[in-house]
Amino acid sequence: DAGVIQSPRHEVTEMGQEVTLRCKPISGHNSLFWYRQTMMRGLELLIYFNNNVPIDDSGMPEDRFSAKMPNASFSTLKIQPSEPRDSAVYFCASSTRRTNTEAFFGQGTRLTVV
Amino acid sequence: RKEVEQDPGPFNVPEGATVAFNCTYSNSASQSFFWYRQDCRKEPKLLMSVYSSGNEDGRFTAQLNRASQYISLLIRDSKLSDSATYLCVVNQSGGSNYKLTFGKGTLLTVNP
Repeated sequence: DAGVIQSPRHEVTEMGQEVTLRCKPISGHNSLFWYRQTMMRGLELLIYFNNNVPIDDSGMPEDRFSAKMPNASFSTLKIQPSEPRDSAVYFCASSTRRTNTEAFFGQGTRLTVV
Repeated sequence: RKEVEQDPGPFNVPEGATVAFNCTYSNSASQSFFWYRQDCRKEPKLLMSVYSSGNEDGRFTAQLNRASQYISLLIRDSKLSDSATYLCVVNQSGGSNYKLTFGKGTLLTVNP
């Protein structure tokens, strides 16, 4: 299994531009999580999906952030317009929806907004 | 109170030392618990699950105290390769409330 696949690995963009991060979860996993990691705030859960349905998006910082999961094998996190304070590492993770289940992380997208 | 709170660290210990990390969680409905390890500029990876009766995996021992809402990780005979950030993770499940919440992590450096 290839694991959770994220793209791009690195993204540098100018303030005001739209940024789209992509994630392919592990086949058969029905929960998908988007996290953001910064030195100051650690790993923050932005949103998670169960069976492609968004369950909790209370961690999404503001309306500039949106996430979709059109099917079981693909999810996107979009920031529009991007701001310098959005600079962080964004991780996608997937797991099966059972109580004591490991979540597998992708390698992350390192986003820099200048 | 933060959902998951850890010792801020950092911890600097010599090889062979024993080191313990602590973690508290705020939601008494939390049902499963983990320790993850994150190497510098890498993704978090599962180190071990934490079971109610406590569990051991080689040099690593994890314990859970549900009454105090407290989790611990003990590393014995630490190795240089144990240097990493250790993340306490709490999983709420049941109904539609299912998510993994991470502590901010504790940085461990094992010195020769």
